[in-house]
Amino acid sequence: NAGVTQTPKFQVLKTGQSMTLQCAQDMNHEYMSWYRQDPGMGLRLIHYSVGAGITDQGEVPNGYNVSRSTTEDFPLRLLSAAPSQTSVYFCASSPAGVGQIYTFGSGTRLTVV
Amino acid sequence: RKEVEQDPGPFNVPEGATVAFNCTYSNSASQSFFWYRQDCRKEPKLLMSVYSSGNEDGRFTAQLNRASQYISLLIRDSKLSDSATYLCVVNSGGSNYKLTFGKGTLLTVNP
Repeated sequence: NAGVTQTPKFQVLKTGQSMTLQCAQDMNHEYMSWYRQDPGMGLRLIHYSVGAGITDQGEVPNGYNVSRSTTEDFPLRLLSAAPSQTSVYFCASSPAGVGQIYTFGSGTRLTVV
Repeated sequence: RKEVEQDPGPFNVPEGATVAFNCTYSNSASQSFFWYRQDCRKEPKLLMSVYSSGNEDGRFTAQLNRASQYISLLIRDSKLSDSATYLCVVNSGGSNYKLTFGKGTLLTVNP
């Protein structure tokens, strides 16, 4: 099993550009989430989904969009990149239910200049 | 009060030492508790879930005190390979699909 696959691993954007971070899982997990990790801030939830067609905002959703058309895929779109979005982005997935374990992708390191 | 707070660290210990990490959480509705480990520039990986009865996995022991809303992780006989950041993680507001992470505590085990 590949688990959770994120692409690209590294990206440099110019301010104002848009892009999509890809996330795919092959474990048939219902729950998927996007987090960003910044120094001294810990991981913060951007958006999450509890199943295909269902998404909701997390703690820091501004500037990001998501969709979940299939169980497997959960892309994160940056609408107009800003330097404040320079971060490491992690996608994670989990089965539904109490106490289930989230599996993380290897991350995307994004720099906005 | 922040939703999940951990010892700020960093911790520097010699090989063979015992080290304890502490964590508090603010939402009494939380039901799921975890310790994740994150190596430098890598993704977080589950170290262990934490249960009310306490649980042990080799050199690692986790404890949960629901009354005090307190979670701990004890590492005995620490190894060089234990060097990492340890993240306390709690499900947010009782929902199973949202996790809240502490900021993490960096552990360095020295030879």
